Amino acid sequence: IAGITQAPTSQILAAGRRMTLRCTQDMRHNAMYWYRQDLGLGLRLIHYSNTAGTTGKGEVPDGYSVSRANTDDFPLTLASAVPSQTSVYFCASSKGDGGNEQFFGPGTRLTVL
Amino acid sequence: GQNIDQPTEMTATEGAIVQINCTYQTSGFNGLFWYQQHAGEAPTFLSYNVLDGLEEKGRFSSFLGRSKGYSYLLLKELQMKDSASYLCAALDSSYKLIFGSGTRLLVRP
Repeated sequence: IAGITQAPTSQILAAGRRMTLRCTQDMRHNAMYWYRQDLGLGLRLIHYSNTAGTTGKGEVPDGYSVSRANTDDFPLTLASAVPSQTSVYFCASSKGDGGNEQFFGPGTRLTVL
Repeated sequence: GQNIDQPTEMTATEGAIVQINCTYQTSGFNGLFWYQQHAGEAPTFLSYNVLDGLEEKGRFSSFLGRSKGYSYLLLKELQMKDSASYLCAALDSSYKLIFGSGTRLLVRP
């Protein structure tokens, strides 16, 4: 692994189903983030984690949960998907939560029908 | 509230110079980032300004004017591969990035 990876690349999901988007980084970054990107709205922060074992809510956390059991992994779970969660999801990481650049994964395109 | 404003679209000619403006209003401010995003790809880091002034990095330069809540990204000697979206993002008081909607730049031959 080099950098930050996400899985799956894309997914079509029936409404009401549970789904976990995976994110793994090998840069030993402390901070990790989940964003969603919708046309005309830009990137919006869903949840973040400043270090392993801690998480926080971003701008649009409702309907999503995260965990950070270790430094490398930061999965995002949709407990019961709804069509408004159709979006492109980007995971990102940075050395810390200060003025450090964030590195983005390739994204997951999720469609909820 | 928190708000980042940037133009939706711009068009420029190959070899020319283009300036993409961004204004921001955030609860606290800890710096301004610019990212480039090609269609269907992840954003990639271009620049970070925390002090007033111009930072030059090759063909790309970024300016910050904190007192005016203003930044711009300057792209020189435009190439076709520069056709992409350019995202302005401000780091707020809790060190979270607030993104604008992005400026889609089309470079024409």
